[in-house]
Amino acid sequence: GDSVTQMEGPVTLSEEAFLTINCTYTATGYPSLFWYVQYPGEGLQLLLKATKADDKGSNKGFEATYRKETTSFHLEKGSVQVSDSAVYFCALHPSNFGNEKLTFGTGTRLTIIP
Amino acid sequence: DAGVTQSPTHLIKTRGQQVTLRCSPKSGHDTVSWYQQALGQGPQFIFQYYEEEERQRGNFPDRFSGHQFPNYSSELNVNALLLGDSALYLCASSVLNQPQHFGDGTRLSIL
Repeated sequence: GDSVTQMEGPVTLSEEAFLTINCTYTATGYPSLFWYVQYPGEGLQLLLKATKADDKGSNKGFEATYRKETTSFHLEKGSVQVSDSAVYFCALHPSNFGNEKLTFGTGTRLTIIP
Repeated sequence: DAGVTQSPTHLIKTRGQQVTLRCSPKSGHDTVSWYQQALGQGPQFIFQYYEEEERQRGNFPDRFSGHQFPNYSSELNVNALLLGDSALYLCASSVLNQPQHFGDGTRLSIL
């Protein structure tokens, strides 16, 4: 079945550091890929998405590129801020019609220190 | 434009009891999905409702059931609560081929 593997956390960085959170997936066909962010006490917010190979999703300085050859969708940001501290989830939505469930990774907790 | 709203925010129950959680989808959305998020884990798909019917179900026992109303709002019911049912329950709404939007969840604690 479908699965998503994220790098183990927690991750602690200093403000303005470069961020990479690794995500790889296993799925049949061509799933859509997402990054969601969860702030303390809140639900999940969609951060960015990519729906086909080589697509780059971007939002709020974050980027991720859909790499079919390596089945990866790594999240990057060039200069993190304290406000980026949250838990980040990589997720996939299958391509087969009628299968609507999102499959999530276990999440990566990011803490940015001033 | 209101997003996905869930109620209640927090709930405390004891083992063996039954609980009902509620969700109002984002305006314009007709599909509602429910997820269970255990502490420190990613959300796990419970089921999805569309046109008032359960369209797809994850690996959850029959104690978990749901309903969707004509206005697209939805309920999640859990019977015979177990300690392991303690989690954050997330509702997500969507329309066909668009990303799911999540509410802030209901935190359920079982004593």
